[in-house]
Amino acid sequence: EVQLVESGGGLVQPGGSLRLSCAASGFTLSSHWMHWVRQAPGKGLVWVSRINFDGSSTLYADSVKGRFTISRDNAKNTLYLQMNSLRAEDTAVYYCARGSDLYGKDLWGQGTTVTVSS
Amino acid sequence: EIVLTQSPGTLSLSPGERATLSCRASESVDSTYLAWYQQKPGQAPRLLIYRASSRATGIPDRFSGSGSGTDFTLTISRLEPEDFAVYYCQQYGTSFMYTFGQGTKLEIK
Repeated sequence: EVQLVESGGGLVQPGGSLRLSCAASGFTLSSHWMHWVRQAPGKGLVWVSRINFDGSSTLYADSVKGRFTISRDNAKNTLYLQMNSLRAEDTAVYYCARGSDLYGKDLWGQGTTVTVSS
Repeated sequence: EIVLTQSPGTLSLSPGERATLSCRASESVDSTYLAWYQQKPGQAPRLLIYRASSRATGIPDRFSGSGSGTDFTLTISRLEPEDFAVYYCQQYGTSFMYTFGQGTKLEIK
């Protein structure tokens, strides 16, 4: 089955760190650009970060630049999001998504919840 | 940064009716990079339309997208019960940033 499964979410204190993982199955991760998108409780979708096929090119939303790092291990078919200096406003469901700029984000994981609170 | 404004915020219609959802950009958007997504409560988003007017795999033909420049439209020709959800437009722009609209909630009247 073609799917993405996120993990690594949880409760963390402000200023703390968390690493999210997104395991791909049923397809070859290295053939696709990948994204992280988040959704705060009751709010809309917000794009967070993008990585190209081999990890040589990354992009970040201004709100997370310098704090979050996207990476991938194609040998393990896994995408990551290292989140440092977490703030209350980072509280959200984090989705990984497969997709290109031309063809949209055609496959999404079920999401993992990150809560930043003391 | 390009801002996408979706209207209306909430649309109340009955099954069988036609739905027209609008997405307006603060500056011109390359339609090649304009997509629409559907999200139901508790679920991940689902790609409906890419390149402004191309239906994604498995999307029924009652969904159609159109538009160019700053004005884009998602049309659902005859609403089915499963179509009631939140819809988002999204673009990728020259500033190398991706932005989503704030969403339109399509609810049963």
